[in-house]
Amino acid sequence: DTGVSQNPRHKITKRGQNVTFRCDPISEHNRLYWYRQTLGQGPEFLTYFQNEAQLEKSRLLSDRFSAERPKGSFSTLEIQRTEQGDSAMYLCASSLTGDGYTFGSGTRLTVV
Amino acid sequence: GENVEQHPSTLSVQEGDSAVIKCTYSDSASNYFPWYKQELGKRPQLIIDIRSNVGEKKDQRIAVTLNKTAKHFSLHITETQPEDSAVYFCAAKASGGSNYKLTFGKGTLLTVNP
Repeated sequence: DTGVSQNPRHKITKRGQNVTFRCDPISEHNRLYWYRQTLGQGPEFLTYFQNEAQLEKSRLLSDRFSAERPKGSFSTLEIQRTEQGDSAMYLCASSLTGDGYTFGSGTRLTVV
Repeated sequence: GENVEQHPSTLSVQEGDSAVIKCTYSDSASNYFPWYKQELGKRPQLIIDIRSNVGEKKDQRIAVTLNKTAKHFSLHITETQPEDSAVYFCAAKASGGSNYKLTFGKGTLLTVNP
């Protein structure tokens, strides 16, 4: 499968714990995006990488959130001290140009 | 920033009928407008897109129209089938410095009744 891969698919965590998600983009895609989707809403932009450089972070991304893309390949999104409001689907997407995103299947986070 | 409004939020049609979903955007600099289909529990999948230098684009039973002056674009699905049932999202992307970030509408739940 040459699509965008995300792990884990589901994560249940207790409030206050740290969680980390991984995204493996399509190999030739140099652009990588993280979005968050809550029930009944469209995906909301979180952050963007071009190669290994993080070029923008949304104001939705508080200081508890950090994302990395070492060597411009896979990316990780870490949430520290999780809160119930962090419960959502976290989607990763990649593209070769600025258009034509390919999304992964997402990681569904539930904070209890 | 960009704001995308999508209507209706739910749409129910009989198999074989047409379905139309409409979106408006606020940033006149937006120049790329994709549509995504998301089935329950699955990833959003790009089904069609249009750029601002084109007024209409068609792919089999799916077409998208764009009115730059009015800043709205629409998705048209003809001869609907039960497998078209899903949530559809429109999105817009501005040119210039923020030419990578898609702003999505809230989605339309389309139900095609057999």
